[in-house]
Amino acid sequence: GEDVEQSLFLSVREGDSSVINCTYTDSSSTYLYWYKQEPGAGLQLLTYIFSNMDMKQDQRLTVLLNKKDKHLSLRIADTQTGDSAIYFCAEGGGSYIPTFGRGTSLIVHP
Amino acid sequence: DARVTQTPRDKVTEMGQEVTMRCQPILGHNTVFWYRQTMMQGLELLAYFRNRAPLDDSGMPKDRFSAEMPDATLATLKIQPSEPRDSAVYFCASGGDSYGYTFGSGTRLTVV
Repeated sequence: GEDVEQSLFLSVREGDSSVINCTYTDSSSTYLYWYKQEPGAGLQLLTYIFSNMDMKQDQRLTVLLNKKDKHLSLRIADTQTGDSAIYFCAEGGGSYIPTFGRGTSLIVHP
Repeated sequence: DARVTQTPRDKVTEMGQEVTMRCQPILGHNTVFWYRQTMMQGLELLAYFRNRAPLDDSGMPKDRFSAEMPDATLATLKIQPSEPRDSAVYFCASGGDSYGYTFGSGTRLTVV
């Protein structure tokens, strides 16, 4: 079945770049997503990338997709304390039910 | 901004009691999901509706859980009887296309 895997924790210093990685197994996914969850809140869609793209940039966020290796990454430039949250990778699109990873807890310290 | 509204925000109940969680999806969205989030299991899909029809509820314990969409503005998730292992945060999400889904703030359920 479909599976999405992420590392559980990432710790970075304020001002540095953060890179959160994700691997997935379903090659038929048309979209791949990054969601952010702050404490006590629901998941918020951060960005998405269509499966025929390699890269997407949105302000401080850069998404890289390696479809051959089924690897997705999210880079956050100039990481701030407000970026501390859990980041979920998900695959889906069209009639597919989205499959979520377990989430990566990003901890930003001064 | 359009939002998905879930009620109640928090619920504490005794084992054996019935629990009903409600969700108002975004107007015009035709897809609704119910997820359960726990530390141990992460996000688990419980039920999936498209155009109010249930398409997948294989993740839901059928003997005690039920999910319905009586109309396009309301989705419900019911647990009867509730058990301590049902303690979790339950999220509703709605979507209208492939560009991601909007999540509600969740219902934090504690069964004692």
